[in-house]
Parts: sequence; structure tokens; C-alpha cells
Amino acid sequence: TQLLEQSPQFLSIQEGENLTVYCNSSSVFSSLQWYRQEPGEGPVLLVTVVTGGEVKKLKRLTFQFGDARKDSSLHITAAQPGDTGLYLCAGDPGTYKYIFGTGTRLKVLA
Amino acid sequence: GAVVSQHPSWVICKSGTSVKIECRSLDFQATTMFWYRQFPKQSLMLMATSNEGSKATYEQGVEKDKFLINHASLTLSTLTVTSAHPEDSSFYICSAMGLAGDEQFFGPGTRLTVL
Repeated sequence: TQLLEQSPQFLSIQEGENLTVYCNSSSVFSSLQWYRQEPGEGPVLLVTVVTGGEVKKLKRLTFQFGDARKDSSLHITAAQPGDTGLYLCAGDPGTYKYIFGTGTRLKVLA
Repeated sequence: GAVVSQHPSWVICKSGTSVKIECRSLDFQATTMFWYRQFPKQSLMLMATSNEGSKATYEQGVEKDKFLINHASLTLSTLTVTSAHPEDSSFYICSAMGLAGDEQFFGPGTRLTVL
């Protein structure tokens, strides 16, 4: 069974702080996506990374795909209350059936 | 952007009844749709892959006779929870994959509560 472990599970920080969320697996993925989900809603795609070592930036969010395509990280700079939500990574083992990570629940306090 | 809708957005039913949830791709055609279940404070678990015009494929541990999936057109897939029980209460989310097959678009989810 392919598993995607995210850490930390929960994170509560003050506005303006930086944070990093990790997504780790022992399996190789052809691509990996990051989503943010708010309560009672479906997940919203933030980014897709495909190439090992790839780094993508989306405003204050920086995403990196590990060289071996087994892990990824999401770094948020100067977090804002609007960043609050459940962050999910999801990996495609090559079947287009994405496996979702365990999730990281972020709360940014004003 | 691609929009996926779900109906209903929430439903409450009595134990033993069946509930149908619809997933529609509004502005694109989707040969493949996925159904997920999400329990409170947990991640999404893939239940099944719905392919237009063919039988759905179910993930290990998901009962195909309990969760009936029909993908009758390129814009509609339905999930029917048969003989629902309280343990079926969950947030059900669908996603639809565009014809290019490189991105899935998620619906807003359906919250099912079985009394």
C-alpha cells in the first residue's frame, strides 16, 4: 500500500511566521499535487509538480518535489489568516489515481 | 476554469434507506470521475473510479454492492449509497478528469448523515 505521510499533522502559528509542511513516501510518484481544503468544501488545486527537484512558486507559497520524486514540501512565507485550512498532498503513482496524504491542518492566528 | 458540481450538498436520511449523489462536470467532458470519502478531520480516501460507459473499479475494501456507481454520460456520474447505516455518514467528494487526463477537478462535496 502506498502511503503519503504529511507532517506536521497540526500547526497553529501567528500571522507573519513562516512554515514548512512535508509530504513523504517510500514510493515514487510520476507527479505530485498540493491542495488546500476549507471546511465543508472540496479541495482546491494549488500546484502540480512533475520533475524531480522541481521548485514552483505561487505568491508566498513555494513547492518543491524531491529529487527522487518520493517527497515534497510546501513552504509558506509570512503566513496570513487566509492561509488557514487543510493542506493535502496527493501523488500519482502513474495510474492517474491520486493517493492523498494524511493532511496538515494549519491555523494562522491574527 | 472547469467546474464540477455535486447534488445534493447535504442529505440526512434514515438508516436502511438509499441515497443518490450526483456529480456533474458543467463545462467539460469527463471520461473518468473519481469518488472519495472523507471522515471528519481526515484525508480523502479513494473509493472508486468511474468510467463513462463501463463498470466502475472499486478500491480494496469498498463494497461495490453497497456503493453503486453509474457513469451514464460524459458529464454525469452518480453514487448511490444503498441501505445506508450511521457508519456511512461522511463527506463524499467527486472529481472529474478532463479529456487531456492531466488534472482532476473536485466537486464541493456532499455531506451525508444517516440517523
